[in-house]
Amino acid sequence: NAGVMQNPRHLVRRRGQEARLRCSPMKGHSHVYWYRQLPEEGLKFMVYLQKENIIDESGMPKERFSAEFPKEGPSILRIQQVVRGDSAAYFCASSGLAGGPDTQYFGPGTRLTVL
Amino acid sequence: AQSVTQLGSHVSVSEGALVLLRCNYSSSVPPYLFWYVQYPNQGLQLLLKYTSAATLVKGINGFEAEFKKSETSFHLTKPSAHMSDAAEYFCAVTHPNNAGNMLTFGGGTRLMVKP
Repeated sequence: NAGVMQNPRHLVRRRGQEARLRCSPMKGHSHVYWYRQLPEEGLKFMVYLQKENIIDESGMPKERFSAEFPKEGPSILRIQQVVRGDSAAYFCASSGLAGGPDTQYFGPGTRLTVL
Repeated sequence: AQSVTQLGSHVSVSEGALVLLRCNYSSSVPPYLFWYVQYPNQGLQLLLKYTSAATLVKGINGFEAEFKKSETSFHLTKPSAHMSDAAEYFCAVTHPNNAGNMLTFGGGTRLMVKP
């Protein structure tokens, strides 16, 4: 049973470019969460999605960041016009009835570097 | 509102010694509590969780944690440290509200194990 999958694992972008991060939840999970980990810090919640719905985006920066979880395919975290401060590790987690509804399982993360 | 405080951003123990990583939480409702471990450049792996059943929770790799409501604590312990335990440990809190709740993380504690 595959766990949470994220790709790419490493992403390098120049300032002003767009970054697209993908997350495929565990089989049977319909809840997806995105977290950001800045260097030497803990994880901070960004957004919580279910299929085709954004449930809670209280942790998302107001500009340049967006997320989606379409009916088919992975969840996407999109960062437009990246800046150096966006350099961080972005983790996706999923939850569902499998494994316990309140337990989130994390992917390996995407490490974004903005030059 | 909920928050997590991990006392000690760095903890160093000798191999074979007791490991104690501290976590205190603040929550307006009964919480669910989690400990995750993160090895360098990897995602978060669930160590154990408290979800209102037994207050002493046993996890993987010989770790356990005890929920103490009176002290609002959920400290992580292991009787005998192993070199492979060197990693960063995160305590997190959420609420028992079906399957969709963000995790609030502490700042993390980096455990170093000396030979």
